[in-house]
Amino acid sequence: GDSVTQKEGLVTLTEGLPVMLNCTYQTIYSNAFLFWYVHYLNESPRLLLKSSTDNKRTEHQGFHATLHKSSSSFHLQKSSAQLSDSALYYCALTNYGNEKITFGAGTKLTIKP
Amino acid sequence: AQTIHQWPVAEIKAVGSPLSLGCTIKGKSSPNLYWYWQATGGTLQQLFYSITVGQVESVVQLNLSASRPKDDQFILSTEKLLLSHSGFYLCAWSRGANTGQLYFGEGSKLTVL
Repeated sequence: GDSVTQKEGLVTLTEGLPVMLNCTYQTIYSNAFLFWYVHYLNESPRLLLKSSTDNKRTEHQGFHATLHKSSSSFHLQKSSAQLSDSALYYCALTNYGNEKITFGAGTKLTIKP
Repeated sequence: AQTIHQWPVAEIKAVGSPLSLGCTIKGKSSPNLYWYWQATGGTLQQLFYSITVGQVESVVQLNLSASRPKDDQFILSTEKLLLSHSGFYLCAWSRGANTGQLYFGEGSKLTVL
């Protein structure tokens, strides 16, 4: 079945430094949809980014990610971390027409002053 | 605007006792509905989904069941709780599988003792 790997469980950075959260996936289907969800404390998880287009950069709220099907990756990046970016970030995968959405284990990002 | 409401916010239950968690979506007709579970320190795991009233598909067997008695309601239940049922339960809706975008409720925290 499908799987999503987020190898960093915890990432701690100083404000102003670049952010990169890794996400790789496995699926037998070629029509993969990849997502990044963000879960702030005391809020519901919500969608941050999504993409199904190979090698196309997608951006939202200062974050960006590019789906690379050749390497099965969808890494989340931001040029300069802010204190308010502290949250739990999930990478997720589905396929066209599939109701099953597979989540990675999540990466807890903590930004320090 | 669409809203999603989960109840109860938190429950403390004894092993072997029954459980019922509920979810209601307002402002969207015929949504796709989902139940997710997150064990403490674990990832979001999809349990069930429903495309239409009266039809529920199981994704993971955890000795739980789900029902969709009305278009806007999704119920998660079991007759006998296990210790392993403890965790955080999230209900979500989407406009369809192809969009992949989930809108989550605020969750129900379950502690089984």
